[in-house]
Amino acid sequence: GNSVTQMEGPVTLSEEAFLTINCTYTATGYPSLFWYVQYPGEGLQLLLKATKADDKGSNKGFEATYRKETTSFHLEKGSVQVSDSAVYFCALRGAGANNLFFGTGTRLTVIP
Amino acid sequence: GAVVSQHPSWVICKSGTSVKIECRSLDFQATTMFWYRQFPKQSLMLMATSNEGSKATYEQGVEKDKFLINHASLTLSTLTVTSAHPEDSSFYICSARDLQTGASQPQHFGDGTRLSIL
Repeated sequence: GNSVTQMEGPVTLSEEAFLTINCTYTATGYPSLFWYVQYPGEGLQLLLKATKADDKGSNKGFEATYRKETTSFHLEKGSVQVSDSAVYFCALRGAGANNLFFGTGTRLTVIP
Repeated sequence: GAVVSQHPSWVICKSGTSVKIECRSLDFQATTMFWYRQFPKQSLMLMATSNEGSKATYEQGVEKDKFLINHASLTLSTLTVTSAHPEDSSFYICSARDLQTGASQPQHFGDGTRLSIL
């Protein structure tokens, strides 16, 4: 079946530090992969996505590369800001499916 | 861009009350909408898939008589938590996908409804 395993948090970083949040998945076929972000008090927003192997999704300085050989979609950012403090969810949608499978979320706190 | 509107954003009510949450796709049609539940510090869990004009499909362990879903039009799905109790307190989020934009497009999420049952 489909599942997403995400690095547990919380993660606390200083401003301008490098961020990696690990995400691995299990799926049949070729799923689409997503990172969603939930800022405090708000709903989910799509951060980036990748729909096939070796695709790199990027947005707001965040990047993630769809690695089929390692079944991973790790989220990275070279220099985090205080405004990046949020909960980040890795998600998967199976090929031909509609609904999403989510990881448990990773809370990121960036301190000045 | 495509927007999903969810209402209300916050509900506080007494135990035994039924609460209705609306989910609207504002500028696209969604034959399918999804209802998720998020417990504190946990991930989103899919509760049910709402299908326009037909019965919703519930995930294992979700009581369909407890969480009534109605998807009467292509832009509106409602979730009614019947006779809510404190254990139903949670964050409920709906989502929808504009099927006309292609299978690779992501879902659009509402802002969620925080339900607190006293």
